[in-house]
Amino acid sequence: DAGVTQSPTHLIKTRGQQVTLRCSPKSGHDTVSWYQQALGQGPQFIFQYYEEEERQRGNFPDRFSGHQFPNYSSELNVNALLLGDSALYLCASSIAQEAEKLFFGSGTQLSVL
Amino acid sequence: GEDVEQSLFLSVREGDSSVINCTYTDSSSTYLYWYKQEPGAGLQLLTYIFSNMDMKQDQRLTVLLNKKDKHLSLRIADTQTGDSAIYFCADHINQAGTALIFGKGTTLSVSS
Repeated sequence: DAGVTQSPTHLIKTRGQQVTLRCSPKSGHDTVSWYQQALGQGPQFIFQYYEEEERQRGNFPDRFSGHQFPNYSSELNVNALLLGDSALYLCASSIAQEAEKLFFGSGTQLSVL
Repeated sequence: GEDVEQSLFLSVREGDSSVINCTYTDSSSTYLYWYKQEPGAGLQLLTYIFSNMDMKQDQRLTVLLNKKDKHLSLRIADTQTGDSAIYFCADHINQAGTALIFGKGTTLSVSS
């Protein structure tokens, strides 16, 4: 049983570019959340998707957007990249009825130059 | 707003017990969590405790919750070198959803 998978594992972009990160949830999970983890910090909540809709959003600008597909996989898009967007982006999945059991992927390390 | 704070570093010798502490501000928390992060990896859910409990034990792990003081601790018995990692305490951002707010993490270093 595969856990949460994310792609790519590493990515290098330049300022002003756009990036798309992908996540496949753990089998049987229907809810996907995205977190940003800057170096030396705890993860910060970006947004959560359930039934293909954004259900909850953290304190991130509109440059950060997402999507959930009918197969529950999800994408995180970041436009007009800034140096400060360099971070580890973590995807987490759960079952809506057991939201306390959150499973994380290994993340995508994004470097913005 | 909601905040979660942890001490940043803890160093112990192999075989000793480790105690990692956390304080939180939201008095309406339903669950509180402990996650482990090893180098280059995502977060692993270690354990969680429901807010109406004072203690939860799971093998070498013991979680203590003091709701009055809004204090959460994680005790690791017989700490091993493989326990070296960053440990995060987490709470829900608000009652409306399931999003989590994390502390900055406690780096546990275990020496042999």
